[in-house]
Amino acid sequence: QVQLLQSGAEVKKPGASVKVSCKVSGYTLTDMSMHWVRQTPGKGLEWMGSFDPRDGETFYAQNFQGRVTMTEDTSTYTAYMELSSLKSEDTAVYYCATPRAEGSLDNWGQGTLVTVSS
Amino acid sequence: DIQMTQSPLSLAASVGDRVTITCRASQTISSYLSWYQQKSGKAPKLLIYAASSLQSGVPSRFSGSGSGRDFTLTISSLQPEDFATYYCQQSYIAPYTFGQGTKLEIK
Repeated sequence: QVQLLQSGAEVKKPGASVKVSCKVSGYTLTDMSMHWVRQTPGKGLEWMGSFDPRDGETFYAQNFQGRVTMTEDTSTYTAYMELSSLKSEDTAVYYCATPRAEGSLDNWGQGTLVTVSS
Repeated sequence: DIQMTQSPLSLAASVGDRVTITCRASQTISSYLSWYQQKSGKAPKLLIYAASSLQSGVPSRFSGSGSGRDFTLTISSLQPEDFATYYCQQSYIAPYTFGQGTKLEIK
């Protein structure tokens, strides 16, 4: 059974960076890609990007290019999403999720609230 | 980027009602369309993948249809636990964009 356990809530100042972790169990991290999705307060879901450890390929949505880095540490079964140059508009819940073969996201972490405030 | 447009954005219905939510893609996405249910404070839950395939463990009152650009999610007989927000998502071409969401409320 695939489980994704995310790191706890963070409070950051504008301009800082945040690194959210997603520890996996029930499967081998290198078997599939990891996707990241965020949800700003009271709003919908926004797909941020994905990292595929099988070939090291990343795809970042245009809104985040230049500010986001997705990585994995296979020794600790943990995926990471780092977002830099934080703005108040980045206040959101960030989710990691794993895909089925055709791309739908069938396993999700519990979410990590990142608050950006001066 | 492919734009996903859901309608309606909100819907009030009663227990036992049949409900349909639609999702239109800005270009063809074949059958690379998923539906999710999200309850307040929780992660989204996959209901339907590949436009019409029911995810394991999801009640059979949920069904999906469509291909190309137009898709529907149908709940055949609403149950109290179905009141939530529903999202569609395309996985045809990255970025894998979501619809705006449809909030289903009790009438």
